[in-house]
Amino acid sequence: AQTVTQSQPEMSVQEAETVTLSCTYDTSESDYYLFWYKQPPSRQMILVIRQEAYKQQNATENRFSVNFQKAAKSFSLKISDSQLGDAAMYFCAYRSEGAQKLVFGQGTRLTINP
Amino acid sequence: DAGVIQSPRHEVTEMGQEVTLRCKPISGHNSLFWYRQTMMRGLELLIYFNNNVPIDDSGMPEDRFSAKMPNASFSTLKIQPSEPRDSAVYFCASNVGGGRFEEQFFGPGTRLTVL
Repeated sequence: AQTVTQSQPEMSVQEAETVTLSCTYDTSESDYYLFWYKQPPSRQMILVIRQEAYKQQNATENRFSVNFQKAAKSFSLKISDSQLGDAAMYFCAYRSEGAQKLVFGQGTRLTINP
Repeated sequence: DAGVIQSPRHEVTEMGQEVTLRCKPISGHNSLFWYRQTMMRGLELLIYFNNNVPIDDSGMPEDRFSAKMPNASFSTLKIQPSEPRDSAVYFCASNVGGGRFEEQFFGPGTRLTVL
């Protein structure tokens, strides 16, 4: 079974600085999808960014980008120009090709210091 | 678009009582998912449906849990009898289904407390 590990339970960053959240996963599959979800205090799960494993190019969404290292099974999230509204729990998730089930990591709580 | 709707938002009940959580997926979505979030176990998939049919219920913890989807616009997750260890936030999510790269849209969750 696939597993997702987020080794940083908590992270903090100064406003306007850059922060990187780590995620590693374990799988024997070659085709799959990776996601980062944000969960603010409102509890709502919000998709931040996603990556297809067969694409070598790293996904980017405005201030959010990923560093996808397939061989290392690593999928880190970089947030540039951090804003107070970025404070939240961030979850890394894995989905197999042809499957619907999302497997989540334990999450990283991100604090933004003004 | 109203998004995924869950009710109630908060539920407090006593051990042994029956609890029913409700979900209305986004109109036009064919797949529906029930997740549970706890501090100890994180976010875990309980069950999901495609076109109202349960596809994978391997995450359902035990027979006390049951889920139904009588039509495309409504699903329930029932716990009977409830126990304190069932206390958690329960999320419902939906997507169109079948797409390779689809986002799952989450509801706001139901926070369940079993005393």
